[in-house]
Amino acid sequence: DTEVTQTPKHLVMGMTNKKSLKCEQHMGHRAMYWYKQKAKKPPELMFVYSYEKLSINESVPSRFSPECPNSSLLNLHLHALQPEDSALYLCASSQLTGVVNIQYFGAGTRLSVL
Amino acid sequence: GENVEQHPSTLSVQEGDSAVIKCTYSDSASNYFPWYKQELGKGPQLIIDIRSNVGEKKDQRIAVTLNKTAKHFSLHITETQPEDSAVYFCAARFSGSARQLTFGSGTQLTVLP
Repeated sequence: DTEVTQTPKHLVMGMTNKKSLKCEQHMGHRAMYWYKQKAKKPPELMFVYSYEKLSINESVPSRFSPECPNSSLLNLHLHALQPEDSALYLCASSQLTGVVNIQYFGAGTRLSVL
Repeated sequence: GENVEQHPSTLSVQEGDSAVIKCTYSDSASNYFPWYKQELGKGPQLIIDIRSNVGEKKDQRIAVTLNKTAKHFSLHITETQPEDSAVYFCAARFSGSARQLTFGSGTQLTVLP
């Protein structure tokens, strides 16, 4: 099973709302990632968790708050977003050992901020 | 910072023809180069990858070649089919970046029936 499951698939929120994106994998991967992808652009790395600890934060605004409650789950909490935050949010996971770094991506959450 | 350049940005081919997408990278110590395919409404899916100690890898109609001296790698798709139509991203893992991948800008491939 190489599946990464993201929920919800679509989300519309106002600028004052609080919402959360969820990601789940059962491949035993100990690295998990959040990416942001705008239309016709490559994924942009936001956060990396290694062994459930935040290891990389790519200068992401504090209105995005990641959380890794256990080795299978990754959340992204959203608060006071701006319209320019509308994008596809992708979760990925990978092994933490070896040269090969196959990242398995979920289908993403399409977020619209009104 | 480290950089991956990808060309062309769009590519149209007739069904049955071959398609080639090229990428160059900046860090000569990079050691891992995956290619991802992203269909509309889906997340990127790995289609083939190559490590820096290998010059070429093939999987059915798909092949990747790596030229470490020139710091470029290419995706070759033969006998293209309409279902190959998608956006393709190359990526590289740079020597100091742990698990991070740097992606190219993407190529929209359209296979015309």
